[in-house]
Amino acid sequence: RKEVEQDPGPFNVPEGATVAFNCTYSNSASQSFFWYRQDCRKEPKLLMSVYSSGNEDGRFTAQLNRASQYISLLIRDSKLSDSATYLCVVNPSGGYQKVTFGTGTKLQVIP
Amino acid sequence: EAGVTQFPSHSVIEKGQTVTLRCDPISGHDNLYWYRRVMGKEIKFLLHFVKESKQDESGMPNNRFLAERTGGTYSTLKVQPAELEDSGVYFCASSQDLHRATDTQYFGPGTRLTVL
Repeated sequence: RKEVEQDPGPFNVPEGATVAFNCTYSNSASQSFFWYRQDCRKEPKLLMSVYSSGNEDGRFTAQLNRASQYISLLIRDSKLSDSATYLCVVNPSGGYQKVTFGTGTKLQVIP
Repeated sequence: EAGVTQFPSHSVIEKGQTVTLRCDPISGHDNLYWYRRVMGKEIKFLLHFVKESKQDESGMPNNRFLAERTGGTYSTLKVQPAELEDSGVYFCASSQDLHRATDTQYFGPGTRLTVL
């Protein structure tokens, strides 16, 4: 089993739709969780950290479910510019930041 | 503020040759990481420097890979001799605070290495 698993997609959604991605992780002791966004042939960029209480940043909401060992990302009112690959990233140790990446979920927002 | 920079952006070499990749972290960032993404796979950790010291090199594939960070500023990753399976995108990242698990890692644009 992979340490971090994501549905690779692609998720093709119309503009304005709401879309959600899940990511599961295998190490129950994992401490920190992140969603990164990666545009085609670009570097990953931090979208948001994921906190136990859940957090929201504009149209983006991240949730953590420790009992089931998954994190989610919800995007409301999808824009064309949201088209990218969304990477689930987990820090298993809670100490220094050797992080583990999922393979990413590709989102394509269509007009 | 300048971000993480990497050089070269692309490199095409033949099997058996040597290639050296360079990463300049954000100024003042003590932590520097190397990652690699081979085609169709996830980004994988290679190693982590804290200043000039290797904190963790457990992700280095084999002894053909040598990373250095003399003086605790920029870092180089040398592959010698290169093999076909070394092809991929090599990312460098830096972060500021070792002790905060949620500290953000900032990624460079990557070096796309092709070994023929």
